[in-house]
Amino acid sequence: GENVEQHPSTLSVQEGDSAVIKCTYSDSASNYFPWYKQELGKRPQLIIDIRSNVGEKKDQRIAVTLNKTAKHFSLHITETQPEDSAVYFCAAPRSGGYNKLIFGAGTRLAVHP
Amino acid sequence: DGGITQSPKYLFRKEGQNVTLSCEQNLNHDAMYWYRQDPGQGLRLIYYSQIVNDFQKGDIAEGYSVSREKKESFPLTVTSAQKNPTAFYLCASSNGPSGQPQHFGDGTRLSIL
Repeated sequence: GENVEQHPSTLSVQEGDSAVIKCTYSDSASNYFPWYKQELGKRPQLIIDIRSNVGEKKDQRIAVTLNKTAKHFSLHITETQPEDSAVYFCAAPRSGGYNKLIFGAGTRLAVHP
Repeated sequence: DGGITQSPKYLFRKEGQNVTLSCEQNLNHDAMYWYRQDPGQGLRLIYYSQIVNDFQKGDIAEGYSVSREKKESFPLTVTSAQKNPTAFYLCASSNGPSGQPQHFGDGTRLSIL
């Protein structure tokens, strides 16, 4: 069945280091991959997304890469700051249309000063 | 996103009681979704709706019901049949048939009295 696996489940880095979160999806027809950031007790917020016609997208300190052959995509955060501490979720489209998404289990990122 | 309003922020349910969570959006989005989030876990789809007067079950619809009488509104009722309702409930909306980001409300935290 459809599945999105996300690793690692927790990630601890020092301020200024880079952080990488990886997701693997199962449906080869998937064409849209968003990443969300959720701070404690708040709503998930879209931070970046990528479509299957590109291999990489950057937005300041955040980048996402997509490998369609291997069916995985990754979130890269450079020069991490304490305010980057949050839970990050990847997602991929579900079959059946309606713009449904299936979410990964999340990665809790802690950036230590 | 200020365009999606969920209320109340906190809700307490007594045993045997049905409670309704409100979700309103002014983004003119066609699709709306309800998710359940348990502590330390990802988002699981309860119900979704593409258009007015149409809605479909997600992965964990048992014990829940919805209606979509207006484009702007997608209320979720947690019925007494849902034996473990304590969770964080998130409403989302999106535009277009596929490949569009979902935007979330601030959530409702439901607890059992």
